Amino acid sequence: DSGVTQTPKHLITATGQRVTLRCSPRSGDLSVYWYQQSLDQGLQFLIHYYNGEERAKGNILERFSAQQFPDLHSELNLSSLELGDSALYFCASSVGAGGRGSYNEQFFGPGTRLTVL
Amino acid sequence: QQPVQSPQAVILREGEDAVINCSSSKALYSVHWYRQKHGEAPVFLMILLKGGEQKGHDKISASFNEKKQQSSLYLTASQLSYSGTYFCVTERAGGFKTIFGAGTRLFVKA
Repeated sequence: DSGVTQTPKHLITATGQRVTLRCSPRSGDLSVYWYQQSLDQGLQFLIHYYNGEERAKGNILERFSAQQFPDLHSELNLSSLELGDSALYFCASSVGAGGRGSYNEQFFGPGTRLTVL
Repeated sequence: QQPVQSPQAVILREGEDAVINCSSSKALYSVHWYRQKHGEAPVFLMILLKGGEQKGHDKISASFNEKKQQSSLYLTASQLSYSGTYFCVTERAGGFKTIFGAGTRLFVKA
C-alpha cells in the first residue's frame, strides 16, 4: 500500500459524458501527478501540481482539466469522453516540487480504470 | 522527447543477469527507474542524479552516464519476482516534468 488513494476504482460511462477522478496523496506529500496508461502502453504524463499550483503540463487534452485543493487532494476532470479515453488513470504523489534534479520518488495509487462505451 | 529504452522485451531464466538501457537526446538532471507488475501500479526502484551517487535496490543496480545521457539498469541473479515492465523516467535539464520511457518487459521463468 503506497498510501495514495484513488476513487473510484472502476468507472464505466458513455461517450460524451463527463467524469471526475479523485486522488488523495500520501500524508506530507505536496506534489500530485496524473498519468494515463492505455492498454499495454506506457504511462503518459498528464499534469503535475505542487501545493495547489500547476507545476508542469504534459500531453493533456483540452477536454481534460485538473486541480489540487487546499487539503492537497486532487481531481482530474474528463469531459466529452471518447472511446479512446478508455484507460487506466494513475495518480502519484511525492514530497518535493521537482525540477533541477530535485525530483523525489513518486508513490503511485492503485489507479482508476475508465471504460467509455 | 521520450527516452528510448532497449531492449523492448527480454526473457530470462531464474538466476540469469540482464541489462536494460535508457537513452535520451537531451541533457538530463536525473533518471529514475520504476517497475510495474501486470495489473498493478508502478513502484519506484531508484533515482540517479546528475553528479550523484549510484543507488542500488537489492540485487538491482543502475548507472548514469551523464556525458552520453544514458542510464543502464542491471539485474543480477534474476528472481521470478523481477518479472514486470521496467520504465526509465527522465528529468530534462531546464524542464519541470518527468517523462516515462515506453518500457522494457522482463519475464523470468523457472
